[in-house]
Amino acid sequence: QKEVEQDPGPLSVPEGAIVSLNCTYSNSAFQYFMWYRQYSRKGPELLMYTYSSGNKEDGRFTAQVDKSSKYISLFIRDSQPSDSATYLCAAVGGADGLTFGKGTHLIIQP
Amino acid sequence: GAVVSQHPSWVICKSGTSVKIECRSLDFQATTMFWYRQFPKQSLMLMATSNEGSKATYEQGVEKDKFLINHASLTLSTLTVTSAHPEDSSFYICSAPPQGSPFGYTFGSGTRLTVV
Repeated sequence: QKEVEQDPGPLSVPEGAIVSLNCTYSNSAFQYFMWYRQYSRKGPELLMYTYSSGNKEDGRFTAQVDKSSKYISLFIRDSQPSDSATYLCAAVGGADGLTFGKGTHLIIQP
Repeated sequence: GAVVSQHPSWVICKSGTSVKIECRSLDFQATTMFWYRQFPKQSLMLMATSNEGSKATYEQGVEKDKFLINHASLTLSTLTVTSAHPEDSSFYICSAPPQGSPFGYTFGSGTRLTVV
């Protein structure tokens, strides 16, 4: 299976809140996991990437992977209106190329 | 870093006409280019993979004769939507595979196609 499951939202939270974005996958061959941010009518930009279970932190962003449960997460601390965008999880591995989730539309209310 | 330039960013065309979308790798050579289509509130769906100097590989369900892909040089890949219909209206994005790390996919800025 090639699917990466992601709730499309929208997810609306107040400014300053902690945002939790999640994806699940079924293909055990997936080895690398990425989070992309996509603003309206723009190409996606890479935010975070990881290839092992555990947490990876970069500023206000934390990417988390649990390979045993095939669950990937992105946390955004101190969310800001400029974080409003669509966040896509993606996975790579095996015979498949880059496989995207549907993307979650995030709205940060000022 | 690697940059892929995609043009046009937005195009409106009449039903039945053809539209060409270009993706250029500006500071590197791309032997492969991925072409995606994204409908509103949907994910990026891989349409085809272009390969420099050879035929493109199309995903199941994508019409080869309708979506013509050409990769004539190491820096240019094109997607032509032929005999466009309103249902072809979508957001089309190209992407070059990683240069080095497995994470470095480089995306174009996308083309919003509206067929009227």
